[in-house]
Amino acid sequence: DQQVKQNSPSLSVQEGRISILNCDYTNSMFDYFLWYKKYPAEGPTFLISISSIKDKNEDGRFTVFLNKSAKHLSLHIVPSQPGDSAVYFCAASDWNSGGSNYKLTFGKGTLLTVNP
Amino acid sequence: SAVISQKPSRDICQRGTSLTIQCQVDSQVTMMFWYRQQPGQSLTLIATANQGSEATYESGFVIDKFPISRPNLTFSTLTVSNMSPEDSSIYLCSVLEQGYEQYFGPGTRLTVT
Repeated sequence: DQQVKQNSPSLSVQEGRISILNCDYTNSMFDYFLWYKKYPAEGPTFLISISSIKDKNEDGRFTVFLNKSAKHLSLHIVPSQPGDSAVYFCAASDWNSGGSNYKLTFGKGTLLTVNP
Repeated sequence: SAVISQKPSRDICQRGTSLTIQCQVDSQVTMMFWYRQQPGQSLTLIATANQGSEATYESGFVIDKFPISRPNLTFSTLTVSNMSPEDSSIYLCSVLEQGYEQYFGPGTRLTVT
């Protein structure tokens, strides 16, 4: 049972436009969500996170939106740059809900390609 | 954030052999983790490596297959034992920082023939 789903394996956008990456989850105990970016032959790099007590968190060009009722979050990148081309992973944890060992559950990732 | 290195970066191993992967952090951290990413799949937590106590394994992973050592607060090893082609994956260590965020090493790409 996949608790974190990224239904779009790939996304292609033009440079300067907005990139929207989506993520759905099924476990209502998840209370903290993170986005990671991964280049080939490198480990995932932490991008931005959001607690379940918020519905938006912004950091420069990156904004994460959380819709708890829909169990849905999205990552917006504005404006998109060619260097943003990478695989983006959504991850979730239930740390504050009493989860043990701080386990992160990841989606399968979305390959973003930003075309010049 | 902490700087994390892994050795080896990649290896090709024969079926039935074992490989030990090292993870070194440039600062002391309480919690270290080992993940696996099989081809086309998401990252899956293998175990949490705690200094001074045995590692805590996730469902589907056992100590005999993936023994873990954590001799101090900056170093851990993961051994993949009695390898089969199904163990071909990227193995990643991570550390917990800022209370909630995990930071990852560059990964070890393992191919078992």
